[in-house]
Amino acid sequence: ETGVTQSPTHLIKTRGQQVTLRCSSQSGHNTVSWYQQALGQGPQFIFQYYREEENGRGNFPPRFSGLQFPNYSSELNVNALELDDSALYLCASSLVRAGGGETQYFGPGTRLLVL
Amino acid sequence: KQEVTQIPAALSVPEGENLVLNCSFTDSAIYNLQWFRQDPGKGLTSLLLIQSSQREQTSGRLNASLDKSSGRSTLYIAASQPGDSATYLCAVYRANSKLTFGKGITLSVRP
Repeated sequence: ETGVTQSPTHLIKTRGQQVTLRCSSQSGHNTVSWYQQALGQGPQFIFQYYREEENGRGNFPPRFSGLQFPNYSSELNVNALELDDSALYLCASSLVRAGGGETQYFGPGTRLLVL
Repeated sequence: KQEVTQIPAALSVPEGENLVLNCSFTDSAIYNLQWFRQDPGKGLTSLLLIQSSQREQTSGRLNASLDKSSGRSTLYIAASQPGDSATYLCAVYRANSKLTFGKGITLSVRP
């Protein structure tokens, strides 16, 4: 059973650019969630995808968007990058059944630096 | 809106000490609660998951408890070691497996 993987591990962009981060879910999982962790803070929920549909969103602007593919891999896209977007971006996958609260398994993260 | 608080933000103890890390949350209507460890610049490592129907979970030197009615959880670390130095994050599960995290407690265990 493979774990959650993310690519790239590190990324440097300049303000105004666009970035795409990738995540490969753990085998058999149907849900992927993305979190942003700024330095010294806890991770903040960005959004979740369940069976390729967005299934909830945190307090992030529309320039943060995502996709989930049939093989349950996922992308996080951020347009018009701002300096405050510099953070560790974490992907987590889970197998959601009725009732909720299933354990999420986290990837190692992608560290994004916006200059 | 669910808020998760972890106090203090940092803690330094001598090796061998038993210690308790605290976590409080404002909305008791949670599904589960999970404790994570994060090493500097790294991702999250799951330590213990407590389901809403449980009161505690144990793994090796770690014991986590959950009191939903009071909105509190504790992580007990027995016989601390320098390798335990890391940031410990508490997170509560809302509907659809979304997590709300605290800011974490940075633990330093002195040899």
